[in-house]
Amino acid sequence: EAGVTQFPSHSVIEKGQTVTLRCDPISGHDNLYWYRRVMGKEIKFLLHFVKESKQDESGMPNNRFLAERTGGTYSTLKVQPAELEDSGVYFCASSQSSNTDTQYFGPGTRLTVL
Amino acid sequence: QKEVEQDPGPLSVPEGAIVSLNCTYSNSAFQYFMWYRQYSRKGPELLMYTYSSGNKEDGRFTAQVDKSSKYISLFIRDSQPSDSATYLCAMIGGGGGNKLTFGTGTQLKVEL
Repeated sequence: EAGVTQFPSHSVIEKGQTVTLRCDPISGHDNLYWYRRVMGKEIKFLLHFVKESKQDESGMPNNRFLAERTGGTYSTLKVQPAELEDSGVYFCASSQSSNTDTQYFGPGTRLTVL
Repeated sequence: QKEVEQDPGPLSVPEGAIVSLNCTYSNSAFQYFMWYRQYSRKGPELLMYTYSSGNKEDGRFTAQVDKSSKYISLFIRDSQPSDSATYLCAMIGGGGGNKLTFGTGTQLKVEL
């Protein structure tokens, strides 16, 4: 069974540009989460989808971040326009059910904003 | 103040040593406790998942939860060089739905 996949693995952009990160969850997992780790800090929650609906987006830092999950399959996270402080590793995780089921993480996308 | 405190290390031990990794937390509403292992350039991988106070053992790994002290631990017996990784504690609950609240992670190196 394929795990959670993320694309790209690494992105380097300039301040003010737009970047879109993609996450493909494990097949059949309704729950999809985005997390972020900035350098020197802990991994922090960004948002949670149940199928195509946003269940909790309390961790989204500001309106420059837009997450979508059309059709309830893969998800995208767009940052527009990117700022220096957006640099970090963005992780996606998925789980089968909407309780405290195990969250399986992807390898992450390392975003560098210059 | 962070909700979850974890010593970032690095922690270096000789092969075969017993390793003790710890986290403290401030939110008494946390109910589920996890330990993740993360190798360099990889995503976190779940090692242990516990709910109640007490010990849970899985092979060389033992997870311990003390809810009264808001303290959790992970013990690794007979540590191997392949155990070298960053170990992250994580928690669910506290009115935060299903989101994981992480510690900063402890970097462990097991030397030959």
